[in-house]
Amino acid sequence: DQQVKQNSPSLSVQEGRISILNCDYTNSMFDYFLWYKKYPAEGPTFLISISSIKDKNEDGRFTVFLNKSAKHLSLHIVPSQPGDSAVYFCAASGSSNTGKLIFGQGTTLQVKP
Amino acid sequence: DSGVTQTPKHLITATGQRVTLRCSPRSGDLSVYWYQQSLDQGLQFLIQYYNGEERAKGNILERFSAQQFPDLHSELNLSSLELGDSALYFCASSVVTSGGEQFFGPGTRLTVL
Repeated sequence: DQQVKQNSPSLSVQEGRISILNCDYTNSMFDYFLWYKKYPAEGPTFLISISSIKDKNEDGRFTVFLNKSAKHLSLHIVPSQPGDSAVYFCAASGSSNTGKLIFGQGTTLQVKP
Repeated sequence: DSGVTQTPKHLITATGQRVTLRCSPRSGDLSVYWYQQSLDQGLQFLIQYYNGEERAKGNILERFSAQQFPDLHSELNLSSLELGDSALYFCASSVVTSGGEQFFGPGTRLTVL
């Protein structure tokens, strides 16, 4: 039972263009969503988060959009840079009064110079 | 650098053995989480401690146990190791018990031969 899904295992974009990473979830009790970036041989690095009471959160080049009715969130990176090449995980929490995060399988982003 | 430290970085052991992984959270963080990332798997939540007490359990095997000490560092004990326990084990910490960002350590790579 995969409650958080990232259906695209990989994405390739040109430097300077927009990268859009998608994530779907099934549990309507989730109320907090996060995106992490992970380089090989390192731990995940927190990027940006959004509460379920919002539909958009922006931080520099990164914007997360939440569509609760569709149970869908997306991460937009504009403009994409080669250093953004990494694995991106979306995660969700809130179905219980704990910090337990449910992660998607990840999407590998490659930004070509 | 997230401020979360994990030791050791690599661990190679044999089936049937027992190992202990150690984690020191960021200064001021009361919650500690353990996650497992197996080959081709996303991050799977194992267990959460908050200020010394177990807060939530995920799909943690009975052969695995954890604790959080008064100085807030945590240890994950894995016993009767099997080949399938080979994975990356990440520790994360957060200030709050739920609904906040978690900051991950660099991980411990466990190889069971």
